[in-house]
Amino acid sequence: EIVMTQSPATLSVSPGERATLSCRASQSVSSNLAWYQQKPGQAPRLLIYGASTRATGIPARFSGTGSGTEFTLTISSLQSEDFAVYYCQQYNNWPLTFGGGTKVEIK
Amino acid sequence: EVQLVESGGGLVQPGVSLRLSCAASGFTFISYAMTWVRQAPGKGLEWVSGISASDESTYYADSVKGRFTISRDNFKNTLYLQMNSLRAEDTAVYYCAKSSGSGYRSDWYFYYWGQGALVTVSS
Repeated sequence: EIVMTQSPATLSVSPGERATLSCRASQSVSSNLAWYQQKPGQAPRLLIYGASTRATGIPARFSGTGSGTEFTLTISSLQSEDFAVYYCQQYNNWPLTFGGGTKVEIK
Repeated sequence: EVQLVESGGGLVQPGVSLRLSCAASGFTFISYAMTWVRQAPGKGLEWVSGISASDESTYYADSVKGRFTISRDNFKNTLYLQMNSLRAEDTAVYYCAKSSGSGYRSDWYFYYWGQGALVTVSS
């Protein structure tokens, strides 16, 4: 099983600042990596797939980079609606696996 | 508009069975792989099971293999998760989600999710 490790667990950021979230895979997942945003009481929302392709309707302030084992989600200028938990997910190997999540909170 | 509506959750005792359903609409159900993902209270996301489109290949997390069975009825546009021998650690909100394609490796990310069904396993 591929273990996905996200860091940090919690990120405190002021509105308007840049947020950088990391996701590391225990073995290569190529570019088969997705990012999701989840707010309390809601289902996850797809942000990025293929490591760097924004999903339909996702603002340009969200960007994904990386391949192999190291991935980054960057939110260029945090808006109030961006405070949430973010998960990465690999879909290169079975079983599919999610990272433990990064909570982005208001500083 | 794509809609996924889960049903069948509830409070059950350890060891019993439960079947979740996910009614799909707004897309050609038979053309897409589907999956179940769960989230224990206050915890992260855990992939549970997936089923490809028409050929119905199935995949399971080790934590549920041998106890859970995923299936689909392409005439009723419905996805199922039969859960047997339930344990306290199966307590979670169970989401069904639509894959981006029929089930190739690159398809298994999820644009559309249901609202979730809560399963509580407790004596």
